[in-house]
Amino acid sequence: EVQLVESGGDLVQPGRSLRLSCTASGFTLGDYAMSWFRQAPGKGLEWIGFIRSKAYGGTTEYAASVTGRFTISRDDSKSIAYLQMNSLKTDDTAVYYCTRNRGYSYGYSDYWGQGTLVTVSS
Amino acid sequence: DIQMTQSPSSLSASVGDRVTITCRASQDISNYLAWYQQKPGKVPKLLIYAASTLQSGVPSRFSGSGSGTDFTLTISSLQPEDVATYYCQKYNSAPPTFGQGTKVEIK
Repeated sequence: EVQLVESGGDLVQPGRSLRLSCTASGFTLGDYAMSWFRQAPGKGLEWIGFIRSKAYGGTTEYAASVTGRFTISRDDSKSIAYLQMNSLKTDDTAVYYCTRNRGYSYGYSDYWGQGTLVTVSS
Repeated sequence: DIQMTQSPSSLSASVGDRVTITCRASQDISNYLAWYQQKPGKVPKLLIYAASTLQSGVPSRFSGSGSGTDFTLTISSLQPEDVATYYCQKYNSAPPTFGQGTKVEIK
């Protein structure tokens, strides 16, 4: 059974950093691109970025709202994808989801984690 | 960036009704469109990809159509468990934008 479990969400002050983890099971993480999304309280879904599989260079792309502050990485040997968030702002408060990508181009998300809450507040 | 616009933003229908949600892209996205269902307090769930391909395990009352800029999600016979917010997402280019969502309720 495919499972994605996010962890690392917390209450942090503006300007601080946080790293989220996404632990995959039930499939070989290295075979897939992985994405991160977020959903602010009462709002819609926002794409943050994704990381291609090593077979496609393992490169990353990001939304304009997080470029230069957030970094996605992966450790396929541990079946974990990461989201490093620096210089956090109050607007970054949201539930953060990792997903498995399928399909062509940027792909769609066929499996989602349960989400982890990040609250940025002083 | 390509914008995705859903309509209506909310709807209320009776059990058994046929429900249609539309999604319009500001530019041609071919069939690079997915639909997701998010029930209250739950994680989004993939319903349809490539505009019209039903994800495994999704009830056949859900269907998708369209290509280019105009797309439709149809629920052929609304059930109580279909109460949710539905999102379209384009994935042909960055950023993979979502529509603003359509909230479906039972009348």
